[in-house]
Amino acid sequence: GQNIDQPTEMTATEGAIVQINCTYQTSGFNGLFWYQQHAGEAPTFLSYNVLDGLEEKGRFSSFLSRSKGYSYLLLKELQMKDSASYLCAVMDSNYQLIWGAGTKLIIKP
Amino acid sequence: DAMVIQNPRYQVTQFGKPVTLSCSQTLNHNVMYWYQQKSSQAPKLLFHYYDKDFNNEADTPDNFQSRRPNTSFCFLDIRSPGLGDAAMYLCATSRSPGQGADTQYFGPGTRLTVL
Repeated sequence: GQNIDQPTEMTATEGAIVQINCTYQTSGFNGLFWYQQHAGEAPTFLSYNVLDGLEEKGRFSSFLSRSKGYSYLLLKELQMKDSASYLCAVMDSNYQLIWGAGTKLIIKP
Repeated sequence: DAMVIQNPRYQVTQFGKPVTLSCSQTLNHNVMYWYQQKSSQAPKLLFHYYDKDFNNEADTPDNFQSRRPNTSFCFLDIRSPGLGDAAMYLCATSRSPGQGADTQYFGPGTRLTVL
């Protein structure tokens, strides 16, 4: 079966750095997405990786290793507004998005 | 601004009373999706349309149906809502179904409560 694993919850301090990991086992691979979802709201697109390596976008960076079936989302200079769930999703060989359950990130002052 | 719009944002219905959720988009995207998301769970794909070509996920209950009368609009019908259907319903769009960089953009969601 297809599977996406992420930690259920993480806690970090305002101003710090946090890394949210995602491992996947899917039928084929056509890219990995990270979405941010605030409580009660819809997911919003953060990043897309299809090649190995690091993609940087402001305070957020996303890394991919296809051989390891592994990605992480790195958030720097954490702000209180970064408190949200972060969902990892992989596009499989049928171009369907396989979603993880999300990592709830709690930011403390 | 181009966007995905869902109405209503909050819907309360009674057990067994049919309900329709709507989604519209100004992005001119070919593909529209309906997801169901329960608390702390991953979004679950119910249906998707590539243009007017309808695709039903294998495990979507018969209680759920969908219509896409034109490119801009898509509807989700729940014929006889049960308590287990209480969830957030998310509509998303993308340009095309088969390209790896084809990002899905979400509307704000409709929170369905079943009494």
